[in-house]
Amino acid sequence: QKEVEQDPGPLSVPEGAIVSLNCTYSNSAFQYFMWYRQYSRKGPELLMYTYSSGNKEDGRFTAQVDKSSKYISLFIRDSQPSDSATYLCAMNPGAQKLVFGQGTRLTINP
Amino acid sequence: SAVISQKPSRDICQRGTSLTIQCQVDSQVTMMFWYRQQPGQSLTLIATANQGSEATYESGFVIDKFPISRPNLTFSTLTVSNMSPEDSSIYLCSVEGLSYEQYFGPGTRLTVT
Repeated sequence: QKEVEQDPGPLSVPEGAIVSLNCTYSNSAFQYFMWYRQYSRKGPELLMYTYSSGNKEDGRFTAQVDKSSKYISLFIRDSQPSDSATYLCAMNPGAQKLVFGQGTRLTINP
Repeated sequence: SAVISQKPSRDICQRGTSLTIQCQVDSQVTMMFWYRQQPGQSLTLIATANQGSEATYESGFVIDKFPISRPNLTFSTLTVSNMSPEDSSIYLCSVEGLSYEQYFGPGTRLTVT
């Protein structure tokens, strides 16, 4: 079993829809949680990062962490074609290496 | 967040040769990381590079194949040695922020023929 599980998709939704991307994990020591967006032929771009449980909002993006369920989510509101990319979750316990999910390929259709 | 550049952005190399990838950061950082990302896959950590000490390699990666230098707090290099087609991949460097988040460079796309 992988430490971090992420549905690879692909996920295709119409423009304006709310997108929900999710990861589950098995290591209860994980405390720091990140979401990256990666466009084709580009490096990963850090979108959101949170510490421990709770919600964090930044514009159209909301990150949620539920440590009791070992489950994290990224919500994208009013999705745009420019949001089409691969989204990677990542996490670590602190000063240790990041563990990545497999990435979800998302397409927003105009 | 740090601004990270990598050189070269892409290269096509012959089997058996070596390529050195450079990673430059616009601010001083303690921890730098090197990753490999094969087509359609997630990121795999190759090694962690701290300034002034030997790099720490992950299982499956060895110093003879992937030597790393970290001469100062803003620069690192990764060499891919004695390349084979299986080394064709994107190579990424990253740096660690204050909350253990990481910021990535644009990547080096390597094709070995």
